[in-house]
Amino acid sequence: EVQLVESGGDLIQPGGSLRLSCAASGFTVSTNYMSWVRLAPGKGPEWVSVIYSGGTTFYADSVKGRFTISRDTSKNTVHLQMNSLRDDDTALYYCVREVSYGNQLYFDYWGQGTLVTVSS
Amino acid sequence: QSVLTQPPSASGTPGQRVTISCSGSSSNVGSNYVSWYQRVPGTAPKLLIYNNNQRPSGVPDRFSGSKSGTSASLAISGLRSEDEADYYCAAWDDSLRRVFGGGTKLTVL
Repeated sequence: EVQLVESGGDLIQPGGSLRLSCAASGFTVSTNYMSWVRLAPGKGPEWVSVIYSGGTTFYADSVKGRFTISRDTSKNTVHLQMNSLRDDDTALYYCVREVSYGNQLYFDYWGQGTLVTVSS
Repeated sequence: QSVLTQPPSASGTPGQRVTISCSGSSSNVGSNYVSWYQRVPGTAPKLLIYNNNQRPSGVPDRFSGSKSGTSASLAISGLRSEDEADYYCAAWDDSLRRVFGGGTKLTVL
């Protein structure tokens, strides 16, 4: 059974840093595309970042230069290092497995999410 | 402001058929596949439809998807109380990569 379990969310002051983790089971992270998607209060989902099976990474413009996605193949885990956090980074962060090929895109498994609140 | 446009709310009575729209442009919905997700508060979002009209294993055939031009739709027939949830559409955008709709809150009256 595929399972994704996020952790690391917290209440943090603006300008602070946080590291989110996503422990995967039932499949191998390094042979799949793994994304982070966030859901802010009252807004639609926003894609944040992806790490491809080959290791290539991409970021939304809103987080580029501040967030870093990585993976630990020995622990089958994906991380999101979040620096210089801002109020508008407040959201529920989901770890998702992504399927994208050509003009095809979907997210077939989602975790329960971990809450990041940026506030002074 | 989300790139894809969905109505903020929809409703129906048990047994009814409801549809939720997802409007985009030629750079996203018009030229790429659409997927749909269901999010019941407190639970992990679930993939309902991928590639416009394909259902993953385990998703009831009460859920169906379609697309025409720059708009897509999710239809739920035989509405049940457990269908009360938030629904989101998503697609590739040729310039912005991965984009979502703002979500539709479905209420079962």
